[in-house]
Amino acid sequence: EAQVTQNPRYLITVTGKKLTVTCSQNMNHEYMSWYRQDPGLGLRQIYYSMNVEVTDKGDVPEGYKVSRKEKRNFPLILESPSPNQTSLYFCASSFTSGTTQYFGPGTRLTVL
Amino acid sequence: QKEVEQNSGPLSVPEGAIASLNCTYSDRGSQSFFWYRQYSGKSPELIMFIYSNGDKEDGRFTAQLNKASQYVSLLIRDSQPSDSATYLCAVPAYSGAGSYQLTFGKGTKLSVIP
Repeated sequence: EAQVTQNPRYLITVTGKKLTVTCSQNMNHEYMSWYRQDPGLGLRQIYYSMNVEVTDKGDVPEGYKVSRKEKRNFPLILESPSPNQTSLYFCASSFTSGTTQYFGPGTRLTVL
Repeated sequence: QKEVEQNSGPLSVPEGAIASLNCTYSDRGSQSFFWYRQYSGKSPELIMFIYSNGDKEDGRFTAQLNKASQYVSLLIRDSQPSDSATYLCAVPAYSGAGSYQLTFGKGTKLSVIP
């Protein structure tokens, strides 16, 4: 089944404790992206990757890191999480940029 | 800053009626347009895309595009309670070096009343 998977689905952590949210797709897509979604603010792009080893900042990159060492994986790293990073996070992938994006199931993160 | 604007709603329609959702965008160069549906707490899922002026129909859904007016709409005929969700409009915006980033509107919340 073609899909985008994310783990964990739910995470409660404390300020400053490094965490990684994994994202994997099995559709051989070149383009992958991370979004956060907050009430009233909609989906905002954090980082995106056009292909392996090619990443760039989205609209809200502060406090996040990404890497793209393999085509299928695009992990999101929070080196020192803060409460303002409490949000619902989505990973998405598409064949190329600007085409239909397929979303993972989401990760609900709470930073205390 | 490329913008995509939607009425936040909520838009309430009775079951069986036509729901009309609207979206305007600022980038005149945009060529394709996407409508996603998102149930509460779930991920967005694609329901329609359109790239030509005019109408595109898929079952109970019709997307309408008017590039001159920079306006795209989604009509849902014979609305069902299961259509109650937030509908997101997304428009690719050119961001340089051959890349396009999808810009999402904040979504319109639709409520279909039985």
